[in-house]
Amino acid sequence: DAKTTQPNSMESNEEEPVHLPCNHSTISGTDYIHWYRQLPSQGPEYVIHGLTSNVNNRMASLAIAEDRKSSTLILHRATLRDAAVYYCILVAASGTYKYIFGTGTRLKVLA
Amino acid sequence: DAGITQSPRHKVTETGTPVTLRCHQTENHRYMYWYRQDPGHGLRLIHYSYGVKDTDKGEVSDGYSVSRSKTEDFLLTLESATSSQTSVYFCAISRGGEVYEQYFGPGTRLTVT
Repeated sequence: DAKTTQPNSMESNEEEPVHLPCNHSTISGTDYIHWYRQLPSQGPEYVIHGLTSNVNNRMASLAIAEDRKSSTLILHRATLRDAAVYYCILVAASGTYKYIFGTGTRLKVLA
Repeated sequence: DAGITQSPRHKVTETGTPVTLRCHQTENHRYMYWYRQDPGHGLRLIHYSYGVKDTDKGEVSDGYSVSRSKTEDFLLTLESATSSQTSVYFCAISRGGEVYEQYFGPGTRLTVT
């Protein structure tokens, strides 16, 4: 299973955009890139996913590099409620859809 | 919110005792997963199920067994609990497929003394 690399922690000011990077240099052609976040004392929750093209939803945007070896989760205006650990996960079309979680990026949002 | 519950939510048990954690879903999803999360770590997959009576091991399966006799329930059993199994356990469900997300339960905090 392909692995991902993320910075351990990042800080952002409230109401400013946040760009959370993820490197996945061993990604295969059919792996999807999923992002989840985990708020304190909760289970992870889905944020967004993509394959090749950039994606937008109500929570965030996902920018995928042309060679797919990296991606960036973009929170357009960070709020205090966005303080969480963000995980970038590669999901293979393998029939098991197992997730390999790394340690993620802990985002701190400053008021 | 996805219909997924875990029971119990908190448990304290002694070393050497058996423990069973239950995950229950109302979504009729095919795939179910058990993860554990320890301080400073992301979630690690223990076991998963891809259908009734169909289960397989994850990356940290030693000391754990699972059963799935019906679609809605996935049980995780610690046959003889050890202190190293003190952790927060999360269940997740999914339709299956690389485009579908996993929905996670609220977690069970297990302490083995």
